[in-house]
Amino acid sequence: EAQVTQNPRYLITVTGKKLTVTCSQNMNHEYMSWYRQDPGLGLRQIYYSMNVEVTDKGDVPEGYKVSRKEKRNFPLILESPSPNQTSLYFCASRAEAPTYNEQFFGPGTRLTVL
Amino acid sequence: DQQVKQNSPSLSVQEGRISILNCDYTNSMFDYFLWYKKYPAEGPTFLISISSIKDKNEDGRFTVFLNKSAKHLSLHIVPSQPGDSAVYFCAASAYQGGSEKLVFGKGTKLTVNP
Repeated sequence: EAQVTQNPRYLITVTGKKLTVTCSQNMNHEYMSWYRQDPGLGLRQIYYSMNVEVTDKGDVPEGYKVSRKEKRNFPLILESPSPNQTSLYFCASRAEAPTYNEQFFGPGTRLTVL
Repeated sequence: DQQVKQNSPSLSVQEGRISILNCDYTNSMFDYFLWYKKYPAEGPTFLISISSIKDKNEDGRFTVFLNKSAKHLSLHIVPSQPGDSAVYFCAASAYQGGSEKLVFGKGTKLTVNP
């Protein structure tokens, strides 16, 4: 089954404790992306990657890091989480550009930073 | 600066009637527009898209209209069904100089009443 998986689905942590949210896709997609969804703000892009070893900032990259060492995985790293990073996070992938190809989203990771 | 605006946070319609969801954008560089649907506790799923060179795209009960001069697009659902109740996100994309910009609106929650 073609899918995007994220782990963990739920995470409660404390300020400053480094964490990683994993994302993996089995569709051989070149493009992957991370979003956060907050009430009243919709979906905002954090980082994206157009191919292996190629990453770029989205609209809200501060406080996040990503890496794309292999095609299928695109982990999101919070080196020192803060309460304002409490949010619902979605990973997505799609076939190569152009951007009109539909993105496939993962089920989401709900992160709470205390 | 909100480049993609969905000014109606919610919309309620009767089953069988038409649902019209609206979206406005400000960046004239956007050249592709997409609609995603999101159910609670799931990731968004692609619904329909339209290129800026078209003014209409239809897929079954879903039709998207684009008015470039007004920088406005709308999603029509006819007839509406209770299963269409979800949050709908409008998204706009532009690809410039090797990097892409994909911006989502804040979403409109559609409720279709039986």
